[in-house]
Formats: sequence, C-alpha cells, structure tokens
Amino acid sequence: DAGITQSPRHKVTETGTPVTLRCHQTENHRYMYWYRQDPGHGLRLIHYSYGVKDTDKGEVSDGYSVSRSKTEDFLLTLESATSSQTSVYFCAISGETASYEQYFGPGTRLTVT
Amino acid sequence: AQSVAQPEDQVNVAEGNPLTVKCTYSVSGNPYLFWYVQYPNRGLQFLLKYITGDNLVKGSYGFEAEFNKSQTSFHLKKPSALVSDSALYFCAVIYTDKLIFGTGTRLQVFP
Repeated sequence: DAGITQSPRHKVTETGTPVTLRCHQTENHRYMYWYRQDPGHGLRLIHYSYGVKDTDKGEVSDGYSVSRSKTEDFLLTLESATSSQTSVYFCAISGETASYEQYFGPGTRLTVT
Repeated sequence: AQSVAQPEDQVNVAEGNPLTVKCTYSVSGNPYLFWYVQYPNRGLQFLLKYITGDNLVKGSYGFEAEFNKSQTSFHLKKPSALVSDSALYFCAVIYTDKLIFGTGTRLQVFP
C-alpha cells in the first residue's frame, strides 16, 4: 500500500468519546487526504492537507478536525463521536500536485456504539 | 455540480468474456479522470488515468479505458475477464485539486 500505514485498523468506541486516527507515510508526499467510505456513497473527502500545517475542508468535514505537524503524519480527530460516524476511513497521499494519482492506505474500520 | 456517475451497482460477466464498467462525468473544463479498484478489506488501488492525449488509456492488469468527450464518458474495459478481477471499481474525476468519486460498481466474474 505504497508506504502508507493507518492506526488503529479497527476501533469500537462509545458515542460522545473523542477518537483520533493516524495516517503515516514514508513517501515524503506533499498531499494527504482523509476519506470515509459508506455503502451507496463511494468515498467522500473529509479533510486534506497540502503541506505541514496547511489543511482544508472537504465535502463532509462537520464533526472532524485534522492536524499535520510533520510531513509524514496526518491525524484525523472526531471530537465527540456519533453513530453517524461509523464508517471505514481511508488515508491517501499524492505527489507533486493534486492531479497525480492518489495512493491509499489499508483503512480503519470505526464503529461508534 | 461536479459529479461522477456509475449507473450500474453490479456487473456480472463470465470468465473469458469482455467486460465494460461504465462511468459518466459532469465537470467544467478539461477533466482529469481516474479508475481505482478495491479488493475486499483493502484500500483503493490506482488502475489508470486520463489527463490528455490519446483517448484510449491503458492501465494495470490488462485494463483500459476510453475517454469520450462528446458523451462525457470514461468506460473501463478489459478484453477477457478473469475471476480474480472480481472487485469494487470506482471512477473519479479531479475538480479543484480534489478527487470526486462515483458510488462504485461491483464486478463479479463467474468461472
């Protein structure tokens, strides 16, 4: 999976608790992305980063925040998890420009009870 | 609004037969188009892309895609399907530096 790891791979948490997902890359790519995958919706962009400390919102950013303090790490935080955030979360990276193909991590399956 | 449509939730084909997975797009300007494949419990894998040039793009695992500007389509094709091609396929388009994905088409290749 192109030098991308995600942790944890599986997590079950309770409604109202904070959750942080980590994406780590070894490719030194500039762009990093967080998506969620839900049946019938394909993949939807949550947040993305175009450099250290440079982030922007995607299509479904409400209830999520991100941080990127190092090139290799991109964190996704659910401040107060809700059942609607039960999903599979994918991190992706791409190279010099956003028009290059993106490479995806293995995913994190999050269940909010 | 910018969008990608995959009109078929599932495509069934017999091994050895040609396959087509359909994709149409709606985006202003010249589109950058992509196909990705997802095997069970895995992340998406890049198959091929169209940026400019020849309308027939060749990619990984024997797949190819044909860009048709007049029909705003980018259908994925393979001359001879394999059982191992069974997976979920996503079409996507770049818009304002972000990928917009279709909802996916499940390809089932029967022996």
